[in-house]
Amino acid sequence: TQLLEQSPQFLSIQEGENLTVYCNSSSVFSSLQWYRQEPGEGPVLLVTVVTGGEVKKLKRLTFQFGDARKDSSLHITAAQPGDTGLYLCAGAVQGGSEKLVFGKGTKLTVNP
Amino acid sequence: DTEVTQTPKHLVMGMTNKKSLKCEQHMGHRAMYWYKQKAKKPPELMFVYSYEKLSINESVPSRFSPECPNSSLLNLHLHALQPEDSALYLCASSQGAPGGGFTYEQYFGPGTRLTVT
Repeated sequence: TQLLEQSPQFLSIQEGENLTVYCNSSSVFSSLQWYRQEPGEGPVLLVTVVTGGEVKKLKRLTFQFGDARKDSSLHITAAQPGDTGLYLCAGAVQGGSEKLVFGKGTKLTVNP
Repeated sequence: DTEVTQTPKHLVMGMTNKKSLKCEQHMGHRAMYWYKQKAKKPPELMFVYSYEKLSINESVPSRFSPECPNSSLLNLHLHALQPEDSALYLCASSQGAPGGGFTYEQYFGPGTRLTVT
């Protein structure tokens, strides 16, 4: 059973386009993180959201945590080739173990 | 400073070799993790150390042996590995959430690319 459903799995777009990646669950999360990973490297933490309804912005990236803390989205405005990578959402299930639950990832390719 | 370092960057070993992976963080984090990641998959948790004690072992085969010599260091000792153990091995650390628990804001190292021949 996949606790965090991430979609889409693959996304190939042109430079300048906007995109949204989704992470959904039936579980409540006490916090949720978004990472970006490049091939052969470790995931780099982009943001952590903890409050239901929270919105955080990181330059052209906007992260939102659902009101019920069961889902999150990542929106990228005017994507650039440097945004290419694997985007992972990961969360701590409320009342759960010490394990971070990962989505399967979204492989984003931004073509010049 | 949010840096987690890992050595070596690449490792090729035979099935009869013994080798070790090393991880270090100087952020004062009290939880450290080993993950295994196969291509195009998310990281899979292997071990968790909190306050230098092993708190989670995800039923990892005994050919993988973790060690936490102190709060800044984490080792993974490898012995008699199989070709299917080839993967990117990631170390991570976290300080912990204000309300408790260590799954909050994990910082990952660059990984060790392991190839077993």
